[in-house]
Amino acid sequence: LAKTTQPISMDSYEGQEVNITCSHNNIATNDYITWYQQFPSQGPRFIIQGYKTKVTNEVASLFIPADRKSSTLSLPRVSLSDTAVYYCLVGVLFSGGYNKLIFGAGTRLAVHP
Amino acid sequence: DAGITQSPRYKITETGRQVTLMCHQTWSHSYMFWYRQDLGHGLRLIYYSAAADITDKGEVPDGYVVSRSKTENFPLTLESATRSQTSVYFCASSVEREGQETQYFGPGTRLLVL
Repeated sequence: LAKTTQPISMDSYEGQEVNITCSHNNIATNDYITWYQQFPSQGPRFIIQGYKTKVTNEVASLFIPADRKSSTLSLPRVSLSDTAVYYCLVGVLFSGGYNKLIFGAGTRLAVHP
Repeated sequence: DAGITQSPRYKITETGRQVTLMCHQTWSHSYMFWYRQDLGHGLRLIYYSAAADITDKGEVPDGYVVSRSKTENFPLTLESATRSQTSVYFCASSVEREGQETQYFGPGTRLLVL
């Protein structure tokens, strides 16, 4: 199983760029990397997903090095509303195999004024 | 997100009782999931379903039973609740779109087993 390791917590200030790194040394060839955001008392919400190199959408970027043993979620110019827990998820998609899908313990991001 | 609902939102029960948590999606997503979330453990997959009448175990299936007679419903049953099953339970469904697979989570059910 591709176990993931993330920092437990991070602090930032409004307007700064935040980078959260997830380590997944045992990632398999068919595994994808997905990041979710979770606010208190809510279910997680999809942020971004990728397989290799760089992926960017309207809210974040995901950087994946060639060896794919880690990935970095980048949040540009964070605001107070980005205070949440961020989860890194590694696993096979599109074809089942979800019993091998592992969520990390999450990184608690606190954004300060 | 409004397309997936869970009921009840809060539940208190006693050890040994049977409890069923309901999950309903208004989309026609094939895949549905049940997770539990405990402090320090993030989310752990209990069961998932690829389609009606097709279910499979996740990481922590013991003590739980699922069924899926209709695509839109995926109930989770604790046949004999234990205190260790006190947790927040999230249901999710997933869809593949433009080469990405996204899971949509419900609001969660907070279960307390006394």
